[in-house]
Amino acid sequence: AQSVAQPEDQVNVAEGNPLTVKCTYSVSGNPYLFWYVQYPNRGLQFLLKYITGDNLVKGSYGFEAEFNKSQTSFHLKKPSALVSDSALYFCAVSHLKAAGNKLTFGGGTRVLVKP
Amino acid sequence: DAGVTQSPTHLIKTRGQQVTLRCSPISGHKSVSWYQQVLGQGPQFIFQYYEKEERGRGNFPDRFSARQFPNYSSELNVNALLLGDSALYLCASSFSGTGTDTQYFGPGTRLTVL
Repeated sequence: AQSVAQPEDQVNVAEGNPLTVKCTYSVSGNPYLFWYVQYPNRGLQFLLKYITGDNLVKGSYGFEAEFNKSQTSFHLKKPSALVSDSALYFCAVSHLKAAGNKLTFGGGTRVLVKP
Repeated sequence: DAGVTQSPTHLIKTRGQQVTLRCSPISGHKSVSWYQQVLGQGPQFIFQYYEKEERGRGNFPDRFSARQFPNYSSELNVNALLLGDSALYLCASSFSGTGTDTQYFGPGTRLTVL
């Protein structure tokens, strides 16, 4: 079985400050990890993914994430948050033996960036 | 290039009715997956189709079915609708349909069951 936990329902940060959204996962074997962002009344937009290789992954809109195998974590980071980053963020995991390309999502973290 | 498109945008049905949702993948993508997103929760995997064959199925009742057409578009059918089926239904496409491949999501169909 595979699972994802996003321990924070909401993260508040001031514009210009660093932003971190936490994610931990549980999966048998090597994980494939993804971050998506969802704006109101919209579908999910892909930000970045980790499959293998360098633990630091860079993605769209200045976001990056660090894969930590020992802590089974894949936290999303942005050095300087923008008001436009306010949205709902989802971490997701898949793996080699998942059913098809099934993604298992966390419950989401709402990010609010205040001016 | 156009992204993943879904129709209709919104749908209102009553309990016991049947509904069909449609999805067109990104050009060149052969895999389509369906997810259900209940308000306040993360999306849940329903089905994956690749080259018109079912590749994966989530923990949903048999009232949920899907198919993929030769042009790789897909339909999701839900029979005997329940109030709990009210949700945003998301379609995602990918090129190879493997777990390492990025899935690109459409805007979703908002289904309300009264």
